[in-house]
Amino acid sequence: GAVVSQHPSRVICKSGTSVKIECRSLDFQATTMFWYRQFPKQSLMLMATSNEGSKATYEQGVEKDKFLINHASLTLSTLTVTSAHPEDSSFYICSARETHSGTGELFFGEGSRLTVL
Amino acid sequence: DAKTTQPTSMDCAEGRAANLPCNHSTISGNEYVYWYRQIHSQGPQYIIHGLKNNETNEMASLIITEDRKSSTLILPHATLRDTAVYYCIVRVEGPGGKLIFGQGTELSVKP
Repeated sequence: GAVVSQHPSRVICKSGTSVKIECRSLDFQATTMFWYRQFPKQSLMLMATSNEGSKATYEQGVEKDKFLINHASLTLSTLTVTSAHPEDSSFYICSARETHSGTGELFFGEGSRLTVL
Repeated sequence: DAKTTQPTSMDCAEGRAANLPCNHSTISGNEYVYWYRQIHSQGPQYIIHGLKNNETNEMASLIITEDRKSSTLILPHATLRDTAVYYCIVRVEGPGGKLIFGQGTELSVKP
C-alpha cells in the first residue's frame, strides 16, 4: 500500500519554541492531507485539512495562528506548532489520500510525539 | 458525516474469529463504511471499506446489513498482533472526504 512518512517521530522542545513536523507521501501524490492530534487514552481529533497550493481549513476550536500548516507540494505538508507550551504535548498524525485513487482509503503516517518541557 | 456507535472494549481468544459490531443508524445513501485500527503509539491502519455489499480482503471481512444501519468487521482468525483499537467510520467518498474518528473498540486478543 501507499506510504506516508512523518518526521521527526519524536521531538522534545522547550516551552516557547516552535516545532515543525513534516508529512510526506512517498510513492503517490496527495492534493489533500489531514492533520490529527491524539492525547493519551483518547481518539484522534481532526485539526485541519491541508490543501496543496491553498490555505488549510481548520476545524472548529483549532487556532490557525498556533498550528501553521503549509502544503507546498503534492508530496509534502508541514505542521508548525508555534510558541509551544506543555499542553501542546501530544501525538500528531497526518494522513493523505492519493489524488487519483479510486479506492478512497486514507493512508496514515507513523505519528510524531511532541513533548514540550 | 454520520456518527457511529461501537462497544468500548472486547476480548477474543487467539485463533478464534473476532466480530466487531458498529451501529451507524443515520448513515446517508452516499456514505461509505470504513474500518481502521490503531496499534498502540502508531498511526491508524486501513482495514477495509464498503458501501452496501459485503466485502472481503486479506485482512478481514465487512458485513453490512441490508438497511445499512449497522455493520460487523470480522477478523477470521485473530492473533495477538490484532490487539488494537478498531475504529468504524462513515464518510462521503471523494477527495475531500474527512475521517472523523469516534472512540472505537479496544480489542484484546488473549492466548
